[in-house]
Amino acid sequence: DAGVTQSPTHLIKTRGQHVTLRCSPISGHKSVSWYQQVLGQGPQFIFQYYEKEERGRGNFPDRFSARQFPNYSSELNVNALLLGDSALYLCASSWDRGHGYTFGSGTRLTVV
Amino acid sequence: QQQVKQSPQSLIVQKGGISIINCAYENTAFDYFPWYQQFPGKGPALLIAIRPDVSEKKEGRFTISFNKSAKQFSLHIMDSQPGDSATYFCAASQENAGNMLTFGGGTRLMVKP
Repeated sequence: DAGVTQSPTHLIKTRGQHVTLRCSPISGHKSVSWYQQVLGQGPQFIFQYYEKEERGRGNFPDRFSARQFPNYSSELNVNALLLGDSALYLCASSWDRGHGYTFGSGTRLTVV
Repeated sequence: QQQVKQSPQSLIVQKGGISIINCAYENTAFDYFPWYQQFPGKGPALLIAIRPDVSEKKEGRFTISFNKSAKQFSLHIMDSQPGDSATYFCAASQENAGNMLTFGGGTRLMVKP
């Protein structure tokens, strides 16, 4: 079985631009969560989606948004990029909200 | 504020030695405490997890010790190997509230041959 897949693996954007990151969960997993990991720090929770509905939101500005599609894949969108948005963005999936999550390898976003 | 504090930030251990990483949490509602291992260029991988109804859990060379009254938990890696060299993160969550993980700051472990 394929694990959690994220695309793209690396991305370079300019300040002020918009970015869309994509995540395909493990087959059968209905819950997807997004985390931001700044270099040298632990991951920080951004969003959780379950059955296509937002079920949790971390302490991130409204420039960050996400959605989950009928096939349970997910997108994370970030508008008006700042230099401080440079980070590894991790997607994690689980059968449901109460079980352990499996992480993907992430998308490395660099904002210049 | 929900926080998980992790120490040390970095750790060097000789092959065959014991690696010990400590974490402390503030939110008494947390009821699930996993440890993750992360290699460069990869996402975190679940190593071992514990719930507060037990004080210790062992899986192979990895052991979690949990002290509910002190709000502390630790990871012990016995017979540390060079292949264990990675960054380790403790985390905490409320399983019945969506299991959204709060991570510690990480410990970079180097095991010397």
